[in-house]
Amino acid sequence: GAVVSQHPSWVICKSGTSVKIECRSLDFQATTMFWYRQFPKQSLMLMATSNEGSKATYEQGVEKDKFLINHASLTLSTLTVTSAHPEDSSFYICSAPTGGGTQYFGPGTRLLVL
Amino acid sequence: KNEVEQSPQNLTAQEGEFITINCSYSVGISALHWLQQHPGGGIVSLFMLSSGKKKHGRLIATINIQEKHSSLHITASHPRDSAVYICAVRFKGGTSYGKLTFGQGTILTVHP
Repeated sequence: GAVVSQHPSWVICKSGTSVKIECRSLDFQATTMFWYRQFPKQSLMLMATSNEGSKATYEQGVEKDKFLINHASLTLSTLTVTSAHPEDSSFYICSAPTGGGTQYFGPGTRLLVL
Repeated sequence: KNEVEQSPQNLTAQEGEFITINCSYSVGISALHWLQQHPGGGIVSLFMLSSGKKKHGRLIATINIQEKHSSLHITASHPRDSAVYICAVRFKGGTSYGKLTFGQGTILTVHP
């Protein structure tokens, strides 16, 4: 089946630094990808919709200058957490729908900001 | 408001038991997904439904469009089925293709 990868799977960084997370669709093209964050024991929260070749659409309450999204190709979207702070520590997951509507999820990235 | 409600929130079972997890949603949908999330965090898509019933191994998913309700059944449950099961729907009329709204998840623990 289709596969979505994320890199890195784990990242630990100092407060104030920026962290880039990559989401790739390995065997299908995705004009749209979604970015979520998940806090412990909670469900996924949609952060933004990444659109290939155009600006991302952010959900209410998500700072677009804090969470920069770039969807430069049909197989790659990146999420950059700028000037990360401890409250940004979370589990970040991406997903991509195929043409048939099935969603494939990346394995997630655990971010710890010290 | 587009909402998705799951029940129960927590479910404990003995190995071999038949398990049912329920999902209700508020308005018309294009599709409903059942997802499985293991403790490591990875999410697997189990089913995508728009009508009727689907079966894969010991898993069965059903949906009743008129009642806005879906169920996920696990027959002959096994400890390896222990995971969080999440219902997610794509509401009709959305502007983003594939955008999902998630239920709060059901934590399933199956004891040997």
